[in-house]
Amino acid sequence: AQSVTQPDIHITVSEGASLELRCNYSYGATPYLFWYVQSPGQGLQLLLKYFSGDTLVQGIKGFEAEFKRSQSSFNLRKPSVHWSDAAEYFCAVGRPGGSQGNLIFGKGTKLSVKP
Amino acid sequence: DTGVSQDPRHKITKRGQNVTFRCDPISEHNRLYWYRQTLGQGPEFLTYFQNEAQLEKSRLLSDRFSAERPKGSFSTLEIQRTEQGDSAMYLCATAVNTEAFFGQGTRLTVV
Repeated sequence: AQSVTQPDIHITVSEGASLELRCNYSYGATPYLFWYVQSPGQGLQLLLKYFSGDTLVQGIKGFEAEFKRSQSSFNLRKPSVHWSDAAEYFCAVGRPGGSQGNLIFGKGTKLSVKP
Repeated sequence: DTGVSQDPRHKITKRGQNVTFRCDPISEHNRLYWYRQTLGQGPEFLTYFQNEAQLEKSRLLSDRFSAERPKGSFSTLEIQRTEQGDSAMYLCATAVNTEAFFGQGTRLTVV
């Protein structure tokens, strides 16, 4: 069965430090891959997505993610974290050829940023 | 603001009561999804509409849940005989091409 694992439940980083959030997926083929961010009490905002091609994708707010097929991973990175990045981050997979919005989400990683 | 509106934002109801939530999608988006998100979890897919047709339903969508999308515009999600386990955030998303846009959700608390 398809699944998404985000190994880190909670991460704290200092403002200005680099960030990497991990995501591993289980899927029979290369799925569509997404990272979403959710601020408290809010819906989800798409940060970036990968369908095919260049394995390093750029997103909004200075985020990037790298697809590594051999590791079934799609880790999210940011070189310098800002206090406003504190939120919960969700990795998700979608089925190629599927309805595009039927996604399987990980349990999320909560990011705290300390001054 | 993604352009997807959900109403109400918060709902408190007594166990056993029926509740209905509404989602107004971005007008040109013909695909609409409902998700449920419980505390500490990621969103879980409930159901999918293409225009007015309900094309996919998760096994999470028990008989007490029903969703409609008349005329392919707004959608409603009704929960009958609510249980405490129904307490969650209910998210609506609409999609065009390869991106899904989520509303801010309706937080349901069953007491």
